[in-house]
Amino acid sequence: AQKVTQAQTEISVVEKEDVTLDCVYETRDTTYYLFWYKQPPSGELVFLIRRNSFDEQNEISGRYSWNFQKSTSSFNFTITASQVVDSAVYFCALSEASYSGAGSYQLTFGKGTKLSVIP
Amino acid sequence: GAVVSQHPSRVICKSGTSVKIECRSLDFQATTMFWYRQFPKKSLMLMATSNEGSKATYEQGVEKDKFLINHASLTLSTLTVTSAHPEDSSFYICSATTGTSGTYNEQFFGPGTRLTVL
Repeated sequence: AQKVTQAQTEISVVEKEDVTLDCVYETRDTTYYLFWYKQPPSGELVFLIRRNSFDEQNEISGRYSWNFQKSTSSFNFTITASQVVDSAVYFCALSEASYSGAGSYQLTFGKGTKLSVIP
Repeated sequence: GAVVSQHPSRVICKSGTSVKIECRSLDFQATTMFWYRQFPKKSLMLMATSNEGSKATYEQGVEKDKFLINHASLTLSTLTVTSAHPEDSSFYICSATTGTSGTYNEQFFGPGTRLTVL
């Protein structure tokens, strides 16, 4: 069974500080996908990144960066120079290669980390 | 592209009534749709997987007679909460995917429907 753990329930930082959100996952599959989503107060999920299990390269997108380490089963997310608009709940999610219908993969979400960026 | 809509965005109903939530893929054909439920300050929990033209597959613990799912077309899935009770109050989110066999397909999420049962 797959599992995603986000140990940090809530984090508060002052604007312009860097912050790292932790994500640890468990899976028995060798092929899987990892995701990060942002959920602002409006509730709509915003897709941030998808990584497959064969691609361990770290990725940077503007102020966002992701560190994928299979050795520790972690997929951490760092926001550099945080801004108030970054305040949201961030979810890490995992999808194994076992699929439900025509290539789709079920997502298992972590419990989320609520990030508050204080001006 | 890849827009998923939900209607209504908010609904308030009386206990004992039924409520239907629609999930539409606006610019693509969705062979598979997923329904999630999110309690306040909690994570998203998968309720069921819906494939077009077939019965939905429900997750363990989800009452299929209470949460009726219909996926009658490639662009529409509906979730009906029957005989709603206050404990059914929640944020319901759908996602849709094109579902091409053998390849990974992105799930595109709807904006969610907030249900309040009085």
